[in-house]
Amino acid sequence: EDKVVQSPLSLVVHEGDTVTLNCSYEVTNFRSLLWYKQEKKAPTFLFMLTSSGIEKKSGRLSSILDKKELFSILNITATQTGDSAVYLCAGNNAGNMLTFGGGTRLMVKP
Amino acid sequence: EAGVVQSPRYKIIEKKQPVAFWCNPISGHNTLYWYLQNLGQGPELLIRYENEEAVDDSQLPKDRFSAERLKGVDSTLKIQPAELGDSAVYLCASSLGLADADTQYFGPGTRLTVL
Repeated sequence: EDKVVQSPLSLVVHEGDTVTLNCSYEVTNFRSLLWYKQEKKAPTFLFMLTSSGIEKKSGRLSSILDKKELFSILNITATQTGDSAVYLCAGNNAGNMLTFGGGTRLMVKP
Repeated sequence: EAGVVQSPRYKIIEKKQPVAFWCNPISGHNTLYWYLQNLGQGPELLIRYENEEAVDDSQLPKDRFSAERLKGVDSTLKIQPAELGDSAVYLCASSLGLADADTQYFGPGTRLTVL
């Protein structure tokens, strides 16, 4: 059975701090790893990672995948209150089936 | 471009009542997914459609849950009868169904409360 574990479960930081969210996975016939941001409604897509060691970047967010150690990290620099959300990581297998982790709840205080 | 549309956004029913959720995927997306998300947890897949065919419904509780995707576009998910434990957010997602680099896009969800 595929499994995705995220840590920490929750995190409280102040604006301007940098945070690192962790995701480890065990996915049979692994194809890709996806990160989503979920505020009060739908998860919104952030990144899809397929290759090890290649950083994907979007503004203050960046992510990288390590397929040897089976983990990914999501970094957010210069955090803002609008970054407060639950960040979900999901492993995608060859059948395009996503297995989600439990999420990391990030709160950014002013 | 319109995203995944779901309705209703919220639904409150009494246990043993039936309920149905509707999903309209992103135009051109062949693959449609229904997920259940409990509070504080990640989404869990219930069923996946490739066009009008359900290709994975192993996690769907078939005694009370049913789904259909007539004509391979819109989909409905039904619960009959609902139980207290069905209270959750029901998310619909769609994707192009690419062999590689497939990305799922989610709708806003339907929050179901069973009293």
